Amino acid sequence: ETGVTQSPTHLIKTRGQQVTLRCSSQSGHNTVSWYQQALGQGPQFIFQYYREEENGRGNFPPRFSGLQFPNYSSELNVNALELDDSALYLCASSSDRAEQFFGPGTRLTVL
Amino acid sequence: GQNIDQPTEMTATEGAIVQINCTYQTSGFNGLFWYQQHAGEAPTFLSYNVLDGLEEKGRFSSFLSRSKGYSYLLLKELQMKDSASYLCAVYNNNDMRFGAGTRLTVKP
Repeated sequence: ETGVTQSPTHLIKTRGQQVTLRCSSQSGHNTVSWYQQALGQGPQFIFQYYREEENGRGNFPPRFSGLQFPNYSSELNVNALELDDSALYLCASSSDRAEQFFGPGTRLTVL
Repeated sequence: GQNIDQPTEMTATEGAIVQINCTYQTSGFNGLFWYQQHAGEAPTFLSYNVLDGLEEKGRFSSFLSRSKGYSYLLLKELQMKDSASYLCAVYNNNDMRFGAGTRLTVKP
């Protein structure tokens, strides 16, 4: 059974640029959630996708958007990057149960 | 509003028992999770409480009181490798809200 994978591991961007982060869910999981984790803080819920539809959204502006594909992998897109977007971005997958399995994360640095 | 509160830091001795508390005020509730997160790594699942009471899983136990908006994670026979952040999270309608985490340091 393959776990949750994310790419890239690290990324450096400048203010105003756009970024796409990718996540492959664990085998058998149909739900993907994305989180932003700033240093020393708990993860903050961005949104969740279930069977290719957005299924819930946290308090993030519209420049944070996402997609889920038929194979249940997912992308997180962030437009017009700001310095405060620097964080660890975590993807978690789950099946119909609530338990979520996290990927290793993508560390985004915005300069 | 939604509030999930945990102590910022705790210290305990190897072999001892430690209790990490979590209080929450959320607009809805479907369950409460505890996760462990080592520095630089992703959170890993520890426990899930839906109903009131104690859930035991080896050296780890988690307790929930929904009427009090309160949970705790109990770690027994502490080991050095238990040094990590412990995250309390409330699940509600496809939305998982995390506390800021409790950084636990286990000393010899």
